[in-house]
Amino acid sequence: DVQLVETGGGLIQPGGSLRLSCAASGFTVSSNYMSWVRQAPGKGLEWVSVIYSGGSTYYADSVKGRFTISRDNSKNTLYLQMNSLRAEDTAVYYCARLIGYCSGGSCYLGYFDYWGQGTVVSVSS
Amino acid sequence: EIVMTQSPATLSVSPGERATLSCRASQSVSSNLAWYQQKPGQAPRLLIYGASTRATGIPARFSGSGSGTEFTLTISSLQSEDFAVYYCQQYNNWLAWTFGQGTKVEIK
Repeated sequence: DVQLVETGGGLIQPGGSLRLSCAASGFTVSSNYMSWVRQAPGKGLEWVSVIYSGGSTYYADSVKGRFTISRDNSKNTLYLQMNSLRAEDTAVYYCARLIGYCSGGSCYLGYFDYWGQGTVVSVSS
Repeated sequence: EIVMTQSPATLSVSPGERATLSCRASQSVSSNLAWYQQKPGQAPRLLIYGASTRATGIPARFSGSGSGTEFTLTISSLQSEDFAVYYCQQYNNWLAWTFGQGTKVEIK
């Protein structure tokens, strides 16, 4: 069975750093597109970052230059290094597998088929 | 950025009734749209992708339709476990995936 388990959240002061981990089982992280999606308290979902199977990384404008996505293939684990944290980064952070597929001669990327249970990040003084 | 707008914000429905949720995109997303269900304290669960294809294990009472800018999620006969918040998400614009703000389906 596919499982994603996030850890590493907590209470941190503005300007601080935190590293989130997402341990995967049931599939290989390095062979898939993997993302982080966050949800601020009482709000909707916001895509944060993606790492392609080939290693390319991309970020939402709101976190570009402050967050870094990476993976450890030997541990089958995804990471999100968050620096220069702001109050507006307060959210539940989910890791999710991003699916790409081809149909009718066209290819698409992507929707999120498996999600972890989330880890809470609270940025406050 | 493609803005996804869901309506209504809250839908009150009795068990066994039909629920119809709407999602509108600020520009065409073709059929590159997914729907998710989220219950309190839980992660989102994929229901529909490609605007109308049910994900693995999703009951047939969930159906999706639409293309371009107008989409609908229909739950044909609401069960107790269906009361939740539902989100749409576009993936026509890669690297700028966006979600709607959600529709809460509550018990009437």
